[in-house]
Amino acid sequence: NAGVTQTPKFQVLKTGQSMTLQCAQDMNHNSMYWYRQDPGMGLRLIYYSASEGTTDKGEVPNGYNVSRLNKREFSLRLESAAPSQTSVYFCASAYLEGNTEAFFGQGTRLTVV
Amino acid sequence: GQQVMQIPQYQHVQEGEDFTTYCNSSTTLSNIQWYKQRPGGHPVFLIQLVKSGEVKKQKRLTFQFGEAKKNSSLHITATQTTDVGTYFCAGPESGAQKLVFGQGTRLTINP
Repeated sequence: NAGVTQTPKFQVLKTGQSMTLQCAQDMNHNSMYWYRQDPGMGLRLIYYSASEGTTDKGEVPNGYNVSRLNKREFSLRLESAAPSQTSVYFCASAYLEGNTEAFFGQGTRLTVV
Repeated sequence: GQQVMQIPQYQHVQEGEDFTTYCNSSTTLSNIQWYKQRPGGHPVFLIQLVKSGEVKKQKRLTFQFGEAKKNSSLHITATQTTDVGTYFCAGPESGAQKLVFGQGTRLTINP
């Protein structure tokens, strides 16, 4: 039972570099999300995908892009990393967004220098 | 947009003391969920409340959903060191069904 798998677990980027965070779930969930967590700020929604083929902006989408590749996979891309994007990123999935429990991945700790 | 506020932000207790965290939404919620995140870990679902005035218990944890479905609380009786972590409430944003989290309450315990 893998659940939600995120890669990588840790990453250090230089300002201006790009990278993609990968997320996959094996629970046949419809909805997938990306959150970032900063000290004292809780979990802030970056982007979400209510179902395969759809994506929508969350609270803090600037500087990010997403792709719902198929029902299992939802990736987050930083085109030009900035120090303000230093954070812990969590991918999550749920059968029905908002109305059923969300399952979280282990997180990616990203540092931009 | 919808806001979900949680208080307090931090709480330090002696082992054996009780602990309560409160969650307030700016809008009526169809349901509210509670999550626990251990230090260095990821959020893990604890419970979902759906009905107005609902109360649910999980061993030493008691969860309440307000009559107006705009507030909720989590109460832990006789805390243990295993209760250490950050507790989040979350609710779906009305209309959009996005899951919005509160800022969390970080609980630390003196053994």
